Amino acid sequence: AQKVTQAQTEISVVEKEDVTLDCVYETRDTTYYLFWYKQPPSGELVFLIRRNSFDEQNEISGRYSWNFQKSTSSFNFTITASQVVDSAVYFCALSAEFTGGGNKLTFGTGTQLKVEL
Amino acid sequence: DSGVTQTPKHLITATGQRVTLRCSPRSGDLSVYWYQQSLDQGLQFLIQYYNGEERAKGNILERFSAQQFPDLHSELNLSSLELGDSALYFCASSVGGLAGGTGELFFGEGSRLTVL
Repeated sequence: AQKVTQAQTEISVVEKEDVTLDCVYETRDTTYYLFWYKQPPSGELVFLIRRNSFDEQNEISGRYSWNFQKSTSSFNFTITASQVVDSAVYFCALSAEFTGGGNKLTFGTGTQLKVEL
Repeated sequence: DSGVTQTPKHLITATGQRVTLRCSPRSGDLSVYWYQQSLDQGLQFLIQYYNGEERAKGNILERFSAQQFPDLHSELNLSSLELGDSALYFCASSVGGLAGGTGELFFGEGSRLTVL
């Protein structure tokens, strides 16, 4: 069975602070994919990143960076110099290629990030 | 804009009724997925279609059904509605859907269903 744990339910920071959102996953598959999505107050789910299990290189995209560590089954997301517009719920998700067929995503429970002035 | 279109955006109905949610995937995407987001269950996978065929099934109730049409749009039918069916229903699409890995899934803006 697949499982994604986002232990941080809510995080509050002051603008310009750096913040890291934690994600820990469980799967028995050797080939799998990890995702992060952002859900702003308007409700849509915005794709941020996809990473496959064979690529452990960290990735940076502007103020966003991701740290993938297979040894600890973690795929953490850091926002540098946070801004008010970053306020949203962030979801980590996992998809394993051969588990039960299909390409369904198993989502974590999400982390509500509040960035205040 | 993800390119995935969902209608209606909001829907209010009564218990016992039936509704149909519609999804148009991004151009070129063959897979359509349906997800339900509720306060108590979080984001749950319901069902996936690939090029018209059912590909995977998740926590979809028997009162719910879906299909994907030849033009690749999909409909999710919810019947005998209960209060607990109130949720945000998302459709997502991706290019792939079979072996080869999970591509990027792009989500629509969702259809918010309220059952009174």
